[in-house]
Amino acid sequence: NAGVTQTPKFRVLKTGQSMTLLCAQDMNHEYMYWYRQDPGMGLRLIHYSVGEGTTAKGEVPDGYNVSRLKKQNFLLGLESAAPSQTSVYFCASSYIRTAITEAFFGQGTRLTVV
Amino acid sequence: KQEVTQIPAALSVPEGENLVLNCSFTDSAIYNLQWFRQDPGKGLTSLLLIQSSQREQTSGRLNASLDKSSGRSTLYIAASQPGDSATYLCAVGGGTSYGKLTFGQGTILTVHP
Repeated sequence: NAGVTQTPKFRVLKTGQSMTLLCAQDMNHEYMYWYRQDPGMGLRLIHYSVGEGTTAKGEVPDGYNVSRLKKQNFLLGLESAAPSQTSVYFCASSYIRTAITEAFFGQGTRLTVV
Repeated sequence: KQEVTQIPAALSVPEGENLVLNCSFTDSAIYNLQWFRQDPGKGLTSLLLIQSSQREQTSGRLNASLDKSSGRSTLYIAASQPGDSATYLCAVGGGTSYGKLTFGQGTILTVHP
């Protein structure tokens, strides 16, 4: 039972390079999210999706784009990486059930932009 | 805007002690509250989920309580062990949030033998 899987786990980018982070979930969840975690800042929501083909902005969306072409996958793109995007990125998914939503997280992607 | 605060930021206790971690939130119109554990360099593991209509949830040595009216939750850990050492995160979901969570900054717990 894989749950939420993120690839890659580690990456070093040069300023201006682009990359895509992949999140895959095998729990048939409707909702998916991308968060970033920075020291002293906690986790902050970048973008989220409430279903296949939908995306919406979170708290800190600038510099990122996302796509949800398949229900099980949620991609996070950095078109031109900046040092301020050095962070640990977490993907999460959650289900819809009456009065309950519970989030499940991946293991994270540690990104360094130099 | 919802704000979540966790106190203390760090806690060091000897093995065997019972301890309480605190979480407070500014907007009481929450949908649920979730406690997570994070080990260094790892992802988040869900410990307990409390729905807004519930007062507490228990799992093994862990008990989480929720008081919506006062904007507070506590995580009680009984008979702490060195393996409990980790960062504990509190997160709240709003009423119309599509499962989006607002996180506290966490409490770093160290249990020494």
